[in-house]
Amino acid sequence: QSALTQPASVSGSPGQSITISCTGTSSDIGSYNLVSWYQQHPGKAPKFMIFGVSGRPSGVSNRFSGSKSGNTASLTISGLQAEDEADYYCCSYAGSDTWVFGGGTKLTVL
Amino acid sequence: EVQLVESGGGVVQPGGSLRLSCAASGFSFSGHWMHWGRQVLGKGLVWVSRISGDGSTTGYADSVKGRFTISRDNAKNTVSLQMNSLRAEDTAVYYCAEEGGGGLGYWGQGTLVTVSS
Repeated sequence: QSALTQPASVSGSPGQSITISCTGTSSDIGSYNLVSWYQQHPGKAPKFMIFGVSGRPSGVSNRFSGSKSGNTASLTISGLQAEDEADYYCCSYAGSDTWVFGGGTKLTVL
Repeated sequence: EVQLVESGGGVVQPGGSLRLSCAASGFSFSGHWMHWGRQVLGKGLVWVSRISGDGSTTGYADSVKGRFTISRDNAKNTVSLQMNSLRAEDTAVYYCAEEGGGGLGYWGQGTLVTVSS
């Protein structure tokens, strides 16, 4: 159960788009369409942003979108806003009733 | 309104035990898988354990397998994490979360566990 691999940090200017990658293996991301993404502001609990690779829970802005290719999932945030500055975590089902998170990516809005 | 409230955190010596609880309300508790995750202050989220709605199926991260036990009481809408043989590296904020809609839809605010002599 190795953590999924995410870039430590990404940045973008307001209005721009950014993409955060999440690389796993054929045992997790590559085998299941059960990738989710979470946003976490400092001192707060994580917030559910994407399910099933590309689904958006009710109330989540359509500026957030997800995708997957092979063993890599991605989160794209378009029209960056100041309030998007946070840590982002991917998560995947890994079989045998286990899940695995990515190491997290700090998004800075310049 | 969905609410998850963790309790039971505190300071414990290495090798000791602690039992965390999570009280759930605002949703059909017995119909949802429940999870525990943890986060070292300033570090990333780590998945810990998962239990099915009827309590019959569980899963654990390798790092806690054999030391931690997840359980639930559907009559009391609570999920628990019994942590034995605690190590310094188990020090973290522990969150419970509800699995719904393909992800962890609702999270508690966390409870801090510190393993230190």
